[in-house]
Amino acid sequence: AQKITQTQPGMFVQEKEAVTLDCTYDTSDPSYGLFWYKQPSSGEMIFLIYQGSYDQQNATEGRYSLNFQKARKSANLVISASQLGDSAMYFCAMRGASTGNQFYFGTGTSLTVIP
Amino acid sequence: GAVVSQHPSRVICKSGTSVKIECRSLDFQATTMFWYRQFPKKSLMLMATSNEGSKATYEQGVEKDKFLINHASLTLSTLTVTSAHPEDSSFYICSARGPGWGEKLFFGSGTQLSVL
Repeated sequence: AQKITQTQPGMFVQEKEAVTLDCTYDTSDPSYGLFWYKQPSSGEMIFLIYQGSYDQQNATEGRYSLNFQKARKSANLVISASQLGDSAMYFCAMRGASTGNQFYFGTGTSLTVIP
Repeated sequence: GAVVSQHPSRVICKSGTSVKIECRSLDFQATTMFWYRQFPKKSLMLMATSNEGSKATYEQGVEKDKFLINHASLTLSTLTVTSAHPEDSSFYICSARGPGWGEKLFFGSGTQLSVL
């Protein structure tokens, strides 16, 4: 069974500071992918970053980086130099080899950037 | 990135009527599309997976006869909420995957359904 856990229902960060959003996962699949999505108040889901379980290096996409610790089964999202526009819900998701096309989402973290 | 267009963005209907929501991949062929339901401040719940030209695969607890999914072409999937009731009010969002985009899943902008 696949499970994604986000333990931070809400987070606050000062503008221009860095913030880490936590995500842990559980899977028996040897091969899997981890994703982070951003959902602004408008409702759309925006892809941010992807990490494959066999990737040797942590993924980075602009101000987003994924702190992947395979042994701990964690895939935390780090947002550097926070901007007001970063205020949104953030979802961690996983897709495993055994689950085919199905993505499993965490419960989300609401991030508020304070000016 | 790829674009997934979802319409309408908001719909209000009377109880007992049917509502159709469209999900289109604009610049890629979506071999697989997914339909999710999201309650306020909650995570996405996968309702069904649809592959072009075949019947949708529904998740446990999702009524097939109430939520009709059609994936008639590689760029269009539709979700029809039949005989809608107030408890069907929710935010529905589609997503799509296609060849060439690897693991990425692209989402539509969602549809807020309100059943009176």
